[in-house]
Amino acid sequence: QITLKESGPTLVKPTQTLTLTCTFSGFSLTTTGVGVGWIRQPPGKALEWLALIYWDDDKRYSPSLKSRLTITKDTSKNQVVLTVTNMDPVDTATYFCAHTDRTGDYVDYWGQGTLVTVSS
Amino acid sequence: SYVLTQPPSVSVAPGKTARITCGGNNIGSKSVHWYQQKPGQAPVLVVYDNSDRPSGIPERFSGSNSGNTATLTISRVEAGDEADYYCQVWDSSSDHWVFGGGTKLTVL
Repeated sequence: QITLKESGPTLVKPTQTLTLTCTFSGFSLTTTGVGVGWIRQPPGKALEWLALIYWDDDKRYSPSLKSRLTITKDTSKNQVVLTVTNMDPVDTATYFCAHTDRTGDYVDYWGQGTLVTVSS
Repeated sequence: SYVLTQPPSVSVAPGKTARITCGGNNIGSKSVHWYQQKPGQAPVLVVYDNSDRPSGIPERFSGSNSGNTATLTISRVEAGDEADYYCQVWDSSSDHWVFGGGTKLTVL
């Protein structure tokens, strides 16, 4: 059974760096083809893809946010970490982590999401 | 960058058929995936690779893709189908994921 869970601060100040951790079970990020991604959703708005990391450490970033994003993995801990620098109130959103596979490039398992508010 | 366009809203009476479109340049050459999201919940995959259904998704959900439009069709719509629906593709030219803007399905 695949599960993913996001963790991190619920409130950050403008200009601070956000660090979110996705802890997962039921699969390994050392298995060929497997990937973990991050997607966010501002309140009342659409889903927005942020970043992906694959089993071979290949990484992909949203073009509009690439300069502010870093995604890493720790296979020994079954974790993926996303950092977002220079946070702004417009970055207020629910952040989801998700399981994917390069054979399909879609999300088959989602985390429950974590709401991050950016406010001074 | 690749753009996916969805209508903001679609309304349908119970028992009827709902069609939600997702427009993109030559989207017919891509694999389109659809997600259902109910308020306060994470999205759920309802159709992948244009027309395949994950296990547990009712046969009432189907998909098609041709030309510049992909379509999610929900037959015999039920009140429980009321949700936001998002299309998604992998843009091979940039190796990025793209989501559509979402469509709110209202069951009258």
